[in-house]
Amino acid sequence: KAGVTQTPRYLIKTRGQQVTLSCSPISGHRSVSWYQQTPGQGLQFLFEYFSETQRNKGNFPGRFSGRQFSNSRSEMNVSTLELGDSALYLCASSWGGANTGELFFGEGSRLTVL
Amino acid sequence: EDQVTQSPEALRLQEGESSSLNCSYTVSGLRGLFWYRQDPGKGPEFLFTLYSAGEEKEKERLKATLTKKESFLHITAPKPEDSATYLCAVQEETSGSRLTFGEGTQLTVNP
Repeated sequence: KAGVTQTPRYLIKTRGQQVTLSCSPISGHRSVSWYQQTPGQGLQFLFEYFSETQRNKGNFPGRFSGRQFSNSRSEMNVSTLELGDSALYLCASSWGGANTGELFFGEGSRLTVL
Repeated sequence: EDQVTQSPEALRLQEGESSSLNCSYTVSGLRGLFWYRQDPGKGPEFLFTLYSAGEEKEKERLKATLTKKESFLHITAPKPEDSATYLCAVQEETSGSRLTFGEGTQLTVNP
């Protein structure tokens, strides 16, 4: 069974640009969550999508957005990039129960903002 | 606001030397506490879920326990392949699926 796939794995952008990251969940999983991981802040919750609807949202500015498609694949977008957005962005999928904390993570997309 | 504090930040053990990692948490209503393992360059891998004080879970050389204020991850007779960062996370009753993570304990087991 294929795991969670994230693309691209690495990318470099400059301040002011925007970026789109993609996540393909495990087959049959309907929930996709996004987390940002940095050395100083650890893993922080960005948002969660279930059946194409945002079900939960973390405390990030509106520059961070996401969406989910009918096949459960998800994308997140960061506009007007800032240096502080440099991080590992992790996608996690689960079968979709509202309370499940058993998440299956991808290997992440490492974003560097210059 | 939910808070999770893990200690120590880093731990070096010799192969076979047992020890424990600590996770202290503050949450208004705990739905679940989760342990994950993260290897360098990889995403976190789920290990355990604990729901109520007194609960214990075991997997190979790892045992997780839970009290009302903290959780411990006990590692018995560790091997070099147990080297990783261990992350603790809590899920609050009204926060839906959101997990609040600690910053982790980086464990190194020397042969």
